[in-house]
Amino acid sequence: KNEVEQSPQNLTAQEGEFITINCSYSVGISALHWLQQHPGGGIVSLFMLSSGKKKHGRLIATINIQEKHSSLHITASHPRDSAVYICAVWGGSQGNLIFGKGTKLSVKP
Amino acid sequence: DTGVSQDPRHKITKRGQNVTFRCDPISEHNRLYWYRQTLGQGPEFLTYFQNEAQLEKSRLLSDRFSAERPKGSFSTLEIQRTEQGDSAMYLCASSLAVGQGPGYTFGSGTRLTVV
Repeated sequence: KNEVEQSPQNLTAQEGEFITINCSYSVGISALHWLQQHPGGGIVSLFMLSSGKKKHGRLIATINIQEKHSSLHITASHPRDSAVYICAVWGGSQGNLIFGKGTKLSVKP
Repeated sequence: DTGVSQDPRHKITKRGQNVTFRCDPISEHNRLYWYRQTLGQGPEFLTYFQNEAQLEKSRLLSDRFSAERPKGSFSTLEIQRTEQGDSAMYLCASSLAVGQGPGYTFGSGTRLTVV
């Protein structure tokens, strides 16, 4: 079992739909990242959070440390949101991130 | 500062050849990380540096792989005697050290194709 599990693996939505991507992890963490990766490979950091909820534009990220679970929500989805969304956790004492496999989102017009 | 730069963006090489990739991190970041990502998978950790010291290496980093950060600024990742299984996206990221903020910045990656 991977230390970071994401669901769903693939998600197709119609423009305007509310989208939720889930992330569960099994290790102790200091912070969790939500990342966006477009075709071509570059990764952009969307959020880093260690508790509660953060919002940026149409994106909302929540984390429940006790349940070891985080969600990324996209409101009023748009075709330009189409990308792979990756959850990654950082243990604090170690240097590297541990990544989920990603959720491939496709938003149809 | 233009963020984390990686060079080249794409590399096609014949099996058995050596390749070298370069990463230029954000100048004030003292930590630099290398990750490898294969198709349909999330990135996997290879190694990281704090300044010029290589602090951790993954078991994925076989003896054909070597990474350096000689002056604590840019880093190189060399793969010797490339194999088709080395085909992947190689990602570099940088951050401040633990305790100074764990925010990461990623480069655009180097896509390696071994033919």
